[in-house]
Amino acid sequence: AQSVAQPEDQVNVAEGNPLTVKCTYSVSGNPYLFWYVQYPNRGLQFLLKYITGDNLVKGSYGFEAEFNKSQTSFHLKKPSALVSDSALYFCAVRGDTGGFKTIFGAGTRLFVKA
Amino acid sequence: NAGVTQTPKFRILKIGQSMTLQCTQDMNHNYMYWYRQDPGMGLKLIYYSVGAGITDKGEVPNGYNVSRSTTEDFPLRLELAAPSQTSVYFCASSLGEGGTEAFFGQGTRLTVV
Repeated sequence: AQSVAQPEDQVNVAEGNPLTVKCTYSVSGNPYLFWYVQYPNRGLQFLLKYITGDNLVKGSYGFEAEFNKSQTSFHLKKPSALVSDSALYFCAVRGDTGGFKTIFGAGTRLFVKA
Repeated sequence: NAGVTQTPKFRILKIGQSMTLQCTQDMNHNYMYWYRQDPGMGLKLIYYSVGAGITDKGEVPNGYNVSRSTTEDFPLRLELAAPSQTSVYFCASSLGEGGTEAFFGQGTRLTVV
């Protein structure tokens, strides 16, 4: 069965410091991995995805994520956090077998302090 | 492009009432989805559609129905509303499956009292 784990409910980081939001997954076949961000009272917005190829994926707003097949992880990173990065972040996975179904993690709230 | 548009944004229903949440997209996407978001639970898939005339159940379909008569529209119907259906509902669409990302509407906050 497919599953996604985001082990931290909240991540706190000071502005200017690097941030990491963790995600591990379980899926049949090869994974397609996604990160989405949700600002208050808004829908989810796509940040970046891994399909194949380079394990380091770059996305919107300076975010990047590293795919690690052996650890089945896809952690979201940013070298220097901004207060405006404070939001709810979701990791999602879809397997390349079994069609369309995407499984979302429970979300991690990122709080960046000025 | 408006993207994915949901109406209404907020609604309060009494137990036993019914309503339809509207969703329309202008990106000519074949795939459309309905999710519900509960605190600390992430998003759960209610129903999905891979094209006009084709719908199927997701993880939590009980108490809901959908239809897909056109590519653009994918309404979600709640029959006999229950307090357990209090949630935030998101409609989304994507170009296809595999590695394509989804585009989300702004959500409908529904309270059943």
